[in-house]
Amino acid sequence: GQQLNQSPQSMFIQEGEDVSMNCTSSSIFNTWLWYKQEPGEGPVLLIALYKAGELTSNGRLTAQFGITRKDSFLNISASIPSDVGIYFCAGQLPQGGSEKLVFGKGTKLTVNP
Amino acid sequence: EAGVAQSPRYKIIEKRQSVAFWCNPISGHATLYWYQQILGQGPKLLIQFQNNGVVDDSQLPKDRFSAERLKGVDSTLKIQPAKLEDSAVYLCASSLDFRAEQYFGPGTRLTVT
Repeated sequence: GQQLNQSPQSMFIQEGEDVSMNCTSSSIFNTWLWYKQEPGEGPVLLIALYKAGELTSNGRLTAQFGITRKDSFLNISASIPSDVGIYFCAGQLPQGGSEKLVFGKGTKLTVNP
Repeated sequence: EAGVAQSPRYKIIEKRQSVAFWCNPISGHATLYWYQQILGQGPKLLIQFQNNGVVDDSQLPKDRFSAERLKGVDSTLKIQPAKLEDSAVYLCASSLDFRAEQYFGPGTRLTVT
């Protein structure tokens, strides 16, 4: 089945620093999504990317859909303590009449004040 | 707008026992998903419903897992009998249709001893 390789696995940064994480796959996806999950909660969608090469921002977050459709990155600028959580990439592709989501293993972000 | 509701939030059972989880999706959402999230992993799709019909259950261990969405609204996921490796968070998500954004519930944390 499809697998997403997400890196780094964890990051420890100081407040105010920029963060970058990425996801790669051997499979082509039609959509790339980035989610954030906090303890005891389900994932929440941050950014959705629908076209190869697309660069999208949401506040301090910026994500890009790789031109090969096999990768994506997420940048967080000027990190703050509330950015703490686990960030997941997910690729979406049509499969048998549905749009199946495949998730990476996550990047755990810790921000030191 | 109320989010996706799940219950119970936590459950501890012994192996070989049975357990059931309940999900109430966002009102009007036709598509409902059950995911399994093992510690340190991203969510993995178990089953997807479109209204009360199953669209994708290719990754559901059907010898022990079952799910239903009888009236196309609430859904239950059952495990019978449970194994140690079933310990995970079970997430329910819903969306307006199979292409729309998925909204996740808080999950049920299952521990099998």
